Amino acid sequence: AQSVTQPDIHITVSEGASLELRCNYSYGATPYLFWYVQSPGQGLQLLLKYFSGDTLVQGIKGFEAEFKRSQSSFNLRKPSVHWSDAAEYFCAVGPTGGGNKLTFGTGTQLKVEL
Amino acid sequence: DGGITQSPKYLFRKEGQNVTLSCEQNLNHDAMYWYRQDPGQGLRLIYYSQIVNDFQKGDIAEGYSVSREKKESFPLTVTSAQKNPTAFYLCASAKGARVETQYFGPGTRLLVL
Repeated sequence: AQSVTQPDIHITVSEGASLELRCNYSYGATPYLFWYVQSPGQGLQLLLKYFSGDTLVQGIKGFEAEFKRSQSSFNLRKPSVHWSDAAEYFCAVGPTGGGNKLTFGTGTQLKVEL
Repeated sequence: DGGITQSPKYLFRKEGQNVTLSCEQNLNHDAMYWYRQDPGQGLRLIYYSQIVNDFQKGDIAEGYSVSREKKESFPLTVTSAQKNPTAFYLCASAKGARVETQYFGPGTRLLVL
């Protein structure tokens, strides 16, 4: 069965420091991979996605992620974190069954210290 | 502006009561989804619809029902059979039935009185 693991439930970084959020997936074929961000009490906003091609993908807000097939990973990175990046981040993989279903990880809560 | 709207933002349910959460989109998307979010559990799929007048159960459909009479609308009813309805409910839509980016609404928080 397909699954997504985000091993870090909480991460705290200082403003201006670099950030890496981990995402590992289990999937039987070439996956489609997504990173979403959620501010408290809000919906999810797409940061970036990987469908095919270049394994390093750029997203909004200065985020990037690298697809590593050999490690079944799709880690999210940002070189310099801003206080406004504090939020919860979700990795997702699809399709998981018909209907374009996605399987989400349990999320990583990012706290930014000023 | 195109987007997805959910209403109400907060909803209170009494014991034994059915409540309906609204989801509307003007993106001309064919596919729509309902997710439930609980702390520490990520998002779990309740129901999804790929086309008008058709929908399928997701991973946690028990205690919920949906309809898809119009392309723009995908309301979710939380029935009295759902014994633990307190959660944050998110609606999403996608362009088609192939893998496409899902776009999310702002969510509805359901609380039990």
